[in-house]
Order: sequence, then structure tokens, then C-alpha cells
Amino acid sequence: VHLVESGGSEVQPGRSLRLSCAVSGFIFSDYGMHWVRQAPGKGLEWVAVISYDERNKYYADSVKGRFTISRDNSKNALYLQMNTLRPEDTAVYYCAKSPGMAPIDSWGQGTLVIVSS
Amino acid sequence: QIVVTQEPSFSVSPGGTVTLTCGLTSGSVSTSHYPSWYQQTPGQAPRTLIYNTNTRSSGVPDRFSGSILGNKAALTITGAQADDESDYYCVLYLGSGISVFGGGTKLTVL
Repeated sequence: VHLVESGGSEVQPGRSLRLSCAVSGFIFSDYGMHWVRQAPGKGLEWVAVISYDERNKYYADSVKGRFTISRDNSKNALYLQMNTLRPEDTAVYYCAKSPGMAPIDSWGQGTLVIVSS
Repeated sequence: QIVVTQEPSFSVSPGGTVTLTCGLTSGSVSTSHYPSWYQQTPGQAPRTLIYNTNTRSSGVPDRFSGSILGNKAALTITGAQADDESDYYCVLYLGSGISVFGGGTKLTVL
């Protein structure tokens, strides 16, 4: 199982950013996928989950209405579109997989997002 | 708002046994919450230890075990080793797609 995030960078507040996660080593279309973040020096925070068939998507209250999770099963790829970014969105963002909507059983290495003026 | 609780810190002697817990501010933890446990050292991604209450992830030594103890989920480490010194996080599935992590437990081995 291999999950590789990309797309993290430093952006100004209010701007947008799109994260990607490329996966291999398992049948991507059979699994739910998550984004989890970790602010500097803080604990893990669950962000969003998408079902194997993209029909169901759920978000933490902290990102609801600003972030959108999506996937492309033909490309074995997971995405997180982040709009109206805030300084408190600064974190390492991890993609992770799960059988169904839970629990998480594998993680990527993370990509760093810094929101700063 | 439901909060997932963990001990902020814990200490264990080398070779000793320690049990970390994962609870809810409202209600009891059960297998339907799919309690899972992750180990993280500074600068590294989380590593899955236990998922679905007591399923050990591939390559995880059997010194690590998960269970339900009373109204909480529990992670027990037996024969603690120096490299077990890490942060440990639990996560609970609250239904309707929502998962919540605990605040983490910093384990010291000394």
C-alpha cells in the first residue's frame, strides 16, 4: 500500500489550493478515503471522508463549506480542494484509506500547507 | 459536542505494561465505533497499530493489543521498549461518516 500526497505550499489567506493523493498497491475503488490534518505541534484532526463510489462525502465542521473532497477511480487519485483558506488551516495534510467509511488503516507521508500573509 | 478523551501523558518502565484509554465525553465506546490506534513519532506520519478495536496492523508486534475495557477503548503495550516512546492517538467513528480523533497520549518510557 502506497499513498503519496502532493500539492502543499504556502498561500495567502483567502486563496485556494488543491491537494492530491496518488495511491497504489490496493484496489482504490474498493476503499473509502480520508484527509486528516495536523497543525504544527498539535494532534491529528479528521477533515473529510469520501466513499468508494464518491456518492457519500462528509466533512468536519471546521472545513465544511470551504473544502471539497473528490476522487478519480480511473486515475487512482484522491483530491482535496481547499477554498477560502485561513491561517488556522496551516497543517500537514495526510491522505488515508479505510474499508468503508472507517476505520483508517493506512496513511500517506503528508504534505505541508502554510496559510500566511 | 462529543469529544474523544485520552490521557495527555503516561509513563512506563522498560519491560513494563501500560494501558492507554480512549473514551467519550458522552456515552460508552463500543466496537461499533471501530476504535483504532496510531503511533506517531516527531516528524513522521502516523503508523497504524490497531484498527477495528483489536485487529493488529501488518508488521505490528503482538506486544500491542486493543480491547474494550469498561466504557472505553484500550491500547495495551506489554514489555515496553525504548522505541515505544511516542505519541499515541485513538480515533472513533461516530456515525454519519464522521470520525473524531482523541487529543493523543504522550508515552514516556523511563
